[in-house]
Amino acid sequence: QSVLTQPPSASGTPGQRVTISCSGSSSNIGGHTLNWYQQLPGTAPKLLIHNNNQRPSGVPDRFSGSKSGTSASLAISGLQSEDEADYYCAAWDDSLNGYVFGTGTKVTVL
Amino acid sequence: QLQLQESGPGLVKPSETLSLTCTVSSGSISGISHYWGWIRQPPGKGLEWIANIYDSGSTYYNPSLERRVTVSVDTSKNQFSLKLNSVTAADTAVYYCARGSSGIPYWGQGTLVTVSS
Repeated sequence: QSVLTQPPSASGTPGQRVTISCSGSSSNIGGHTLNWYQQLPGTAPKLLIHNNNQRPSGVPDRFSGSKSGTSASLAISGLQSEDEADYYCAAWDDSLNGYVFGTGTKVTVL
Repeated sequence: QLQLQESGPGLVKPSETLSLTCTVSSGSISGISHYWGWIRQPPGKGLEWIANIYDSGSTYYNPSLERRVTVSVDTSKNQFSLKLNSVTAADTAVYYCARGSSGIPYWGQGTLVTVSS
């Protein structure tokens, strides 16, 4: 059972804004940087956001991350069909002394 | 562009040892600015971190797997490896090797390992 909690699903129509939450604690999100990964069906995860709100080269600016206290969120603006994927938050956890992934959120484009 | 490729048996019998190797190409496995790791994903489920190994040799293991896991680096072959012993059906998953720094920007394509007799 993951220590980072995400909603199991989120959806929107093309062009809409979708937000995914990630809830943790002081031992993970509250004390470490938060990363987000996108996993398209049948593929390896891709780093979408690192260091809470930084986009790696090549990631569209439609994706944005934020963190406040022990929670974080990923926003997808101008939702597109190719954004249909699973999204995971992740951070180091001091209590487990290891890296933890969130429970994952499946985004559906209606 | 750094590339990672997992290799190893796709089928392992219960109670035996799962052994995987990750070959790193277009880059050196040595370096203090990053670490090497393993992540797995059971069919239809979420991601589970397994272990990290750093250039210093330091290792960190998922507490739920720590008694059964060993990771190592072979700099001469530009490879790093995962060994998971006493496997059960619950260890059936796609196993990914990866390189991390700020987040994990580099992933292998993943390899499915099935535990079955």
